[in-house]
Amino acid sequence: GAVVSQHPSWVICKSGTSVKIECRSLDFQATTMFWYRQFPKQSLMLMATSNEGSKATYEQGVEKDKFLINHASLTLSTLTVTSAHPEDSSFYICSARGRVSNEQFFGPGTRLTVL
Amino acid sequence: QKEVEQNSGPLSVPEGAIASLNCTYSDRGSQSFFWYRQYSGKSPELIMFIYSNGDKEDGRFTAQLNKASQYVSLLIRDSQPSDSATYLCAVSGDYKLSFGAGTTVTVRA
Repeated sequence: GAVVSQHPSWVICKSGTSVKIECRSLDFQATTMFWYRQFPKQSLMLMATSNEGSKATYEQGVEKDKFLINHASLTLSTLTVTSAHPEDSSFYICSARGRVSNEQFFGPGTRLTVL
Repeated sequence: QKEVEQNSGPLSVPEGAIASLNCTYSDRGSQSFFWYRQYSGKSPELIMFIYSNGDKEDGRFTAQLNKASQYVSLLIRDSQPSDSATYLCAVSGDYKLSFGAGTTVTVRA
């Protein structure tokens, strides 16, 4: 099946710093990538949708200037959490969708802890 | 996002029993329905998807969809301890997924 990787798998940073998370589709071209956030004991909440070569579409309530998304190629999307604060500590998960299927393939997730 | 409701559980079943999970959704325009399993600290993995009314079986799993009632369910037969996880129902009308809060299942050996 299709494989999506994320890097790093976990990161700890100081408050005020920026953190970049990479999401890669390893064996297919991802026309659309999705970024989710999951707080403990809660479900996945879609943050934004990105299509290759165009600006990301953010869900209501998600600050686009704080969560910068770049989808520069058909296999790579990045999420940068700028000026991270402790309340940004969460599990960030990306998924990718190819041209043919409706199915989204999920990456393994990145655990962000902001001190 | 579309509303997707699930019983939060936890649902505790003995090994070998059937676990029954329910999900309702608010958007009648939803067309695709998914069940994901999520182990603690891991990302979701797809168990099944269903597009048409009726039942769909895959091994020990059966998904049931009733669009008129806006209801989708998942049955896990012959439950195993390895099935202990949180099960997420997800609904899509376009290309976005809306997730329910998940039902935590514990299979007792």
